[in-house]
Amino acid sequence: AIRMTQSPSSFSASTGDRVTITCRASQGISSYLAWYQQKPGKAPKLLIYAASTLQSGVPSRFSGSGSGTDFTLTISCLQSEDFATYYCQQYYSYPLTFGQGTKVEIK
Amino acid sequence: QLQLQESGPGLVKPSETLSLTCTVSGGSISSSSYYWGWIRQPPGKGLEWIGSIYYSGSTYYNPSLKSRVTISVDTSKNQFSLKLSSVTAADTAVYYCARHGVLSTVTKTPNWFDPWGQGTLVTVSS
Repeated sequence: AIRMTQSPSSFSASTGDRVTITCRASQGISSYLAWYQQKPGKAPKLLIYAASTLQSGVPSRFSGSGSGTDFTLTISCLQSEDFATYYCQQYYSYPLTFGQGTKVEIK
Repeated sequence: QLQLQESGPGLVKPSETLSLTCTVSGGSISSSSYYWGWIRQPPGKGLEWIGSIYYSGSTYYNPSLKSRVTISVDTSKNQFSLKLSSVTAADTAVYYCARHGVLSTVTKTPNWFDPWGQGTLVTVSS
């Protein structure tokens, strides 16, 4: 199975900050990567697919980049509603696997 | 708008079988473009894909759970179901159903999950 490793596991930030979350795959996955946002008690919500394509309705402050083994999710100007946990997911091959999550907390 | 809703017992005894159903509304489960999957999340932990099914009945399972998992589909009811046998406390989790597409209807290469059901908490306890 392809292992997905996110860093950091958690961090604190302030509204207005630019934040970056990293996801590394244990082997090359081309651009077959998705990012999700999860708020407490809610299901994950798709933000980005194909590493950099924004899902319809997702604010443009979210962006994704990378290919191969290294990927990033960037929030250009953190808003109060962005405090949540973020997960990456590879779909290069079965079994489908997720990163362990990155929790973005209020500083 | 496509919606998915999980249903089933919230409490299961150790060694018994966990059974959940996902009802799809606002669209057909028989679409050739999609698989239908189960994902779980233990309390305070990350996401684990359990398995997925195509409307024809073709399945993919996570090898870590494959010996205990059965996913089935009922196209007449627009539902798909999960059975997980011989459960232990480690199977306590929120269980989500979700749709994922395929990058190719020939190769059935999977893609991302969207949308998701709201999730249902299943506790394994005597």
